[in-house]
Amino acid sequence: AQKVTQAQTEISVVEKEDVTLDCVYETRDTTYYLFWYKQPPSGELVFLIRRNSFDEQNEISGRYSWNFQKSTSSFNFTITASQVVDSAVYFCALYTTDSWGKLQFGAGTQVVVTP
Amino acid sequence: NAGVTQTPKFRVLKTGQSMTLLCAQDMNHEYMYWYRQDPGMGLRLIHYSVGEGTTAKGEVPDGYNVSRLKKQNFLLGLESAAPSQTSVYFCASSSRRTGTLYNEQFFGPGTRLTVL
Repeated sequence: AQKVTQAQTEISVVEKEDVTLDCVYETRDTTYYLFWYKQPPSGELVFLIRRNSFDEQNEISGRYSWNFQKSTSSFNFTITASQVVDSAVYFCALYTTDSWGKLQFGAGTQVVVTP
Repeated sequence: NAGVTQTPKFRVLKTGQSMTLLCAQDMNHEYMYWYRQDPGMGLRLIHYSVGEGTTAKGEVPDGYNVSRLKKQNFLLGLESAAPSQTSVYFCASSSRRTGTLYNEQFFGPGTRLTVL
């Protein structure tokens, strides 16, 4: 069975602090994809990043960075120098190749950035 | 292109009433999905379709029915609404998967449904 765990329900930081969101996944597949989505207060889902199971290189995109470690089944997400606009719910999701394109979502982590 | 659209955006129902949520996509995608989002539970798959005329159950299908009569539309029906179906509903679509490659799911803006 596939499972995604986001143990942090809510994280509160002051602007310019860094914040790291944890994501731990479970799957028996050797080929899979991991995702992060952002859901701002307006409610839409915004795609942030996709990684496949064969690419463990960490990635940086502006203030965002991702740390993928297969050894610990983790795909953590860091926002550097947080801003108020980063306040949102962030979801980690897993797609496995036997699931007809279905995404398994984690419960989400609410990030609150205060000025 | 409008992408994925959902109708309506908001709805309030009384227990026992029925309604249909409409999802439309203009990207010629084969796959379409309905998810529900509840606090602390992320998004959970209700039903999905891998082509016109075909549907399948997801993780939480009870109390819902779906139809995919046209490739571009995916309808989610509630025959007898219950308060437990109060949720935000998201539709998504993606192109046909090629081998083990993933094709991105594109999400609609969501429908907020309240059942009193």
